[in-house]
Amino acid sequence: NAGVMQNPRHLVRRRGQEARLRCSPMKGHSHVYWYRQLPEEGLKFMVYLQKENIIDESGMPKERFSAEFPKEGPSILRIQQVVRGDSAAYFCASSPRSGAKETQYFGPGTRLLVL
Amino acid sequence: SQQGEEDPQALSIQEGENATMNCSYKTSINNLQWYRQNSGRGLVHLILIRSNEREKHSGRLRVTLDTSKKSSSLLITASRAADTASYFCATGSGNEKLTFGTGTRLTIIP
Repeated sequence: NAGVMQNPRHLVRRRGQEARLRCSPMKGHSHVYWYRQLPEEGLKFMVYLQKENIIDESGMPKERFSAEFPKEGPSILRIQQVVRGDSAAYFCASSPRSGAKETQYFGPGTRLLVL
Repeated sequence: SQQGEEDPQALSIQEGENATMNCSYKTSINNLQWYRQNSGRGLVHLILIRSNEREKHSGRLRVTLDTSKKSSSLLITASRAADTASYFCATGSGNEKLTFGTGTRLTIIP
């Protein structure tokens, strides 16, 4: 049973470009969470999705950021018009049920560098 | 306010010694989880302790939880060089997200 998959592992973008980060949850998991980690800091929650629904996006910046988890295919975190401050590691986690009560399994992360 | 603050921020010990890391939090929780992160890598789940549990063991790991003090500790016994990593506590509190602390950077000196 493969773990949580994220791609790309590293992504370099110039200011103003778009970044698309993909996350495939573990098999049988229908709950996906995105977190952001700045250097030397802990992870900060961004958004929680179930299939085709955004459940909690309280940690997501209001502008330029969006997330989806379609019925088929991976979850996508999209950052439009990237700025240098978006440089960070973005981690996806999945769980089979309500995540805060159960273990969340993390992917290897996508490290975004904005030049 | 910061939920889930670990101390110490950094810890260096000799291989074979025990390492203890602490985590404090501010709000009520359903559970508390500990994760390990090797440099530049993803997070590995170590152990989950529920709010009605006081202690839990997994191999060389021992976790305690004191809800009256809103604190938890992670003990790694007989440390190994491979234990060198950052350790994070994360709290789950009824909603779905985990709230992470800033981590303890553990270095095991061979």
